[in-house]
This record gives sequence, structure tokens and C-alpha cells, in this order.
Amino acid sequence: KNEVEQSPQNLTAQEGEFITINCSYSVGISALHWLQQHPGGGIVSLFMLSSGKKKHGRLIATINIQEKHSSLHITASHPRDSAVYICAVRSANFGNEKLTFGTGTRLTIIP
Amino acid sequence: GAVVSQHPSRVICKSGTSVKIECRSLDFQATTMFWYRQFPKQSLMLMATSNEGSKATYEQGVEKDKFLINHASLTLSTLTVTSAHPEDSSFYICSATRGRWTGELFFGEGSRLTVL
Repeated sequence: KNEVEQSPQNLTAQEGEFITINCSYSVGISALHWLQQHPGGGIVSLFMLSSGKKKHGRLIATINIQEKHSSLHITASHPRDSAVYICAVRSANFGNEKLTFGTGTRLTIIP
Repeated sequence: GAVVSQHPSRVICKSGTSVKIECRSLDFQATTMFWYRQFPKQSLMLMATSNEGSKATYEQGVEKDKFLINHASLTLSTLTVTSAHPEDSSFYICSATRGRWTGELFFGEGSRLTVL
């Protein structure tokens, strides 16, 4: 079993739909990142969470530390949101900055 | 603009040659940078942790002599793929964290290597 599991692996939705991507992890963490990777390959960090909820535009990320679970939500989805979304966790061990990655969720938004 | 810059974005080389990829932090000092490799439709695989002024820490299964990492300054890390072979063709990407406590994470644009 991977330390970081994402679901679904693939998601296709119509423009305007509300999108939820889930991430579960099995290790102690100091932070969780949600990343976006576009077809060209570049990766952008969308959020870094250690507790609670963060919002940026149409994107919302939540984390439940007790349940070891995080979700990324996209409201009013748009074709430009089509990308691979990756959950990554940083170890709770002090000084260990390595990330463990989920396998990613490929999101396709159809106009 | 880019906070971490990676160059080149694409490189094609002949088998047996060496290729150098640069990763620069543009407006902050990065004592640690990370190098990843990504195969098509797969997630990122950590190759090594690049530490300024000391030897890189390689992940299990990554050949140190094949993938040379140098972190000569606080803003530059380089990955050299030596004696490249077609199986080294892949997407390589670096990352750096700005601020140990804030943990802001930035990735380079990635480098797509094709070895003929």
C-alpha cells in the first residue's frame, strides 16, 4: 500500500461542475501540498496545508489531520483546469524535507 | 515570474554524450534542492537531494556516477546525465523550498531529455 493514495485516478467532468479530488496518507506529516501539473510538464504548488482549510479563487483545499485525509475542490470548473493534480506530503521528522507523492489525478473538463 | 528556473527545457543528444541540466533559485537561497524523474503518466520519483556545499544524497537505486549532482552555490544545482543512453530519456524536474519554516515549494519548469 502506497503511503499516499489519491482518488480518483482519472476524472472527466463537464464545464461548471464541482470537482473533488481526495488524498489519504498513512504517515505522520508536517505539511501536505497540492500540486498542479499541466500537459507541458511544469508543476505549480497550489496549496500547502498543515491544518484546516485554504481557499484561492475557485480552489479550496481542506485537511483533517486526525483522519489523515485531504481534499481539493474546484468550483465552477473550466477547461483550463484540465491538468494532473498531485498530493504530496512532507515527513513529520524534523529536518526531513523530502516529499512523498501520490500517483496523481488526471482531470479533464469538457466544454 | 518563475521563482525556480530550469534549463534547458528540452534537449536531444546522442547516445554516449553527457547532458547538464541547471536549476536556479531566482530570488532566494536554497540550501537544499531536489531532483526528480518522471516517466510518462507516472508520478514524480525522487532521485536525489542536492545539498549546498556537500555531496548529494541519492535515493536507493539511483546511480551516483550516472547522475552527477553539484550544488556549488546557494542558488544553483546542476544534474549531469553522463554517458546518456536511450533509457535515460525522461522528464527531469527540480524543486526547492523557500524558507525552512514556511515551506513554500517551487518547481522548475522541467527538462525533457531525449537520447537517440
